[in-house]
Amino acid sequence: AQRVTQPEKLLSVFKGAPVELKCNYSYSGSPELFWYVQYSRQRLQLLLRHISRESIKGFTADLNKGETSFHLKKPFAQEEDSAMYYCALSVNTGNQFYFGTGTSLTVIP
Amino acid sequence: EAQVTQNPRYLITVTGKKLTVTCSQNMNHEYMSWYRQDPGLGLRQIYYSMNVEVTDKGDVPEGYKVSRKEKRNFPLILESPSPNQTSLYFCASRGGGRQKLFFGSGTQLSVL
Repeated sequence: AQRVTQPEKLLSVFKGAPVELKCNYSYSGSPELFWYVQYSRQRLQLLLRHISRESIKGFTADLNKGETSFHLKKPFAQEEDSAMYYCALSVNTGNQFYFGTGTSLTVIP
Repeated sequence: EAQVTQNPRYLITVTGKKLTVTCSQNMNHEYMSWYRQDPGLGLRQIYYSMNVEVTDKGDVPEGYKVSRKEKRNFPLILESPSPNQTSLYFCASRGGGRQKLFFGSGTQLSVL
């Protein structure tokens, strides 16, 4: 069965420190993976997707098929990065989505 | 402004009383979907629709119905709500291909 695991429910880092939010998935096919973010009082929105291989707001995420991981990284955390982050897996030609349980990131000034 | 609109934002009801949560998008998106968010479980997909009159089950469809009579609307129907359907519900839409999901602001439902 498809599954997305985010092992950290809460994560706190100091401003300027590196941050890594972990995401592991289980899927036998070719995965499409995403990171969605929800800032305080805002809607859930796309941060980045593996297929685009882009860096958004300094965040990157690399798909590692061997380790079935899609960890989100940023070298220097900023206070405005404090938010709830969800890793998501899309299957069935992009129609079905599986989300992780989310990681609440707090960046301490 | 391009957006997904859900109504109501908050709803308190009693067991067995049929209710509908509406979802509307103004982006001419073909794909729409519903999710519920519960503590410790993240978002789970309830139903999705690939186009008008085309719907399919997600991960947790039991106790829910949907309809897609028009492209812009995708209501979620609870025919006989139960307390275990107390949750935060999100609607989302997406344009063609593998574009990003646009989410609504959520509906907090409490079933007493």
